[in-house]
Amino acid sequence: EVQLVESGGDLVKPGGSLRLSCAASGFTFNDAWMDWVRQAPGKGLEWVGRIKSKTDGGTTDYAAPVKGRFTISRDDSKNTLYLQMNSLKGEDTAVYYCFTERDGSGIYYPGYWGQGTLVTVSS
Amino acid sequence: EIVLTQSPDFRSVTPKEKVTITCRASQSIGSSLHWYQQKPDQSPKLLIKYASQSISGVPSRFSGSGSGTDFTLTINSLETEDAATYYCHQSYNLPITFGQGTRLEIK
Repeated sequence: EVQLVESGGDLVKPGGSLRLSCAASGFTFNDAWMDWVRQAPGKGLEWVGRIKSKTDGGTTDYAAPVKGRFTISRDDSKNTLYLQMNSLKGEDTAVYYCFTERDGSGIYYPGYWGQGTLVTVSS
Repeated sequence: EIVLTQSPDFRSVTPKEKVTITCRASQSIGSSLHWYQQKPDQSPKLLIKYASQSISGVPSRFSGSGSGTDFTLTINSLETEDAATYYCHQSYNLPITFGQGTRLEIK
């Protein structure tokens, strides 16, 4: 069974930092392309960024609002995706989801999503 | 950035009704359009990918069509469990973008 389990969400002050994790199981993580998406309270879905597999270069791409503040990384030995968030702002308050853009078999959008973790930025 | 505009924003419908939700892209995106269902306090669930490809485990009353800039999600014979917000999502180019969502209320 495929599982994506996010963790690390918390209440943090403006200007602070936080690292989210997404633990993957049930598929070949090291060949997967993984994304982060967020959803502010009562709002729609917003793409945050993605990381390709190391075999595809391991490159990262980010949405404009987070570029330069957020960093996506992966530890394939732990089947875990990370989102390092620095210089946090109130508008970063959201539920953060990880999802699989391409699985280890090369199938795009297999439908793997985590349950989300809440980040609240407030003083 | 490709903007996706869904219509309607909200619709109140009765069970067994047929519902159509549209998603219009600000430029041609081929068939790189996917549909999700999201219920309160749940993560999005993939319903249709690449405009019309069905997903294993998703009821057959959900179908998708379209290409280029205009896309449609159709729900035949609506059931009460279909009350949710529906989003379209384009993967044609970065940044990945989503429509604003369409909330379906079941009367």
